Amino acid sequence: GAVVSQHPSWVICKSGTSVKIECRSLDFQATTMFWYRQFPKQSLMLMATSNEGSKATYEQGVEKDKFLINHASLTLSTLTVTSAHPEDSSFYICSARDPLQGAGNQPQHFGDGTRLSIL
Amino acid sequence: QKEVEQNSGPLSVPEGAIASLNCTYSDRGSQSFFWYRQYSGKSPELIMSIYSNGDKEDGRFTAQLNKASQYVSLLIRDSQPSDSATYLCAVKGFASYDKVIFGPGTSLSVIP
Repeated sequence: GAVVSQHPSWVICKSGTSVKIECRSLDFQATTMFWYRQFPKQSLMLMATSNEGSKATYEQGVEKDKFLINHASLTLSTLTVTSAHPEDSSFYICSARDPLQGAGNQPQHFGDGTRLSIL
Repeated sequence: QKEVEQNSGPLSVPEGAIASLNCTYSDRGSQSFFWYRQYSGKSPELIMSIYSNGDKEDGRFTAQLNKASQYVSLLIRDSQPSDSATYLCAVKGFASYDKVIFGPGTSLSVIP
């Protein structure tokens, strides 16, 4: 159980392009999903917390106009990297918790990640 | 600021040995503790969750928690080359709104 699907796995595109990444909870409903970014050989960096039906909560230093998050349903959150540039190239990973696994202490389950390369 | 610390490694152990991974955390209110394994180029996968002081065993993996010392560890018995990965320690408070704080990870290399 608690499967999180992320799409696409790889994106290669030109500078200036906007890229949308989808994160789906397949066998549970997730009111909250999380978006991380990870540069090579570095730790996970939480970018934002996606809340179903409301605005996302962004971490300090993350540009909300650059990284648009939409959580329109209980099973889908999307991250759009707008006007992407080479410095946005990274590994983007989403995660979600299954609220039925235990209030407050359930682990996060990760999607497979999206490797974004901006030329 | 809540922090989770791990030795970055790399930790090298011979095949068949016990690998011991350690993690300390700063927030005494932390209630939930997780170990994730991350292979190079892949996303993290959950290995163990532990919530109470003591040991929790799952196959070759044993998680150990000592809340008084703010310390959590992961032991991997009979280490295999396939265990070579980065291991992330993660810590969370009890409230649903508490964020999971990830450590920087320890790189483990199991030598055949």
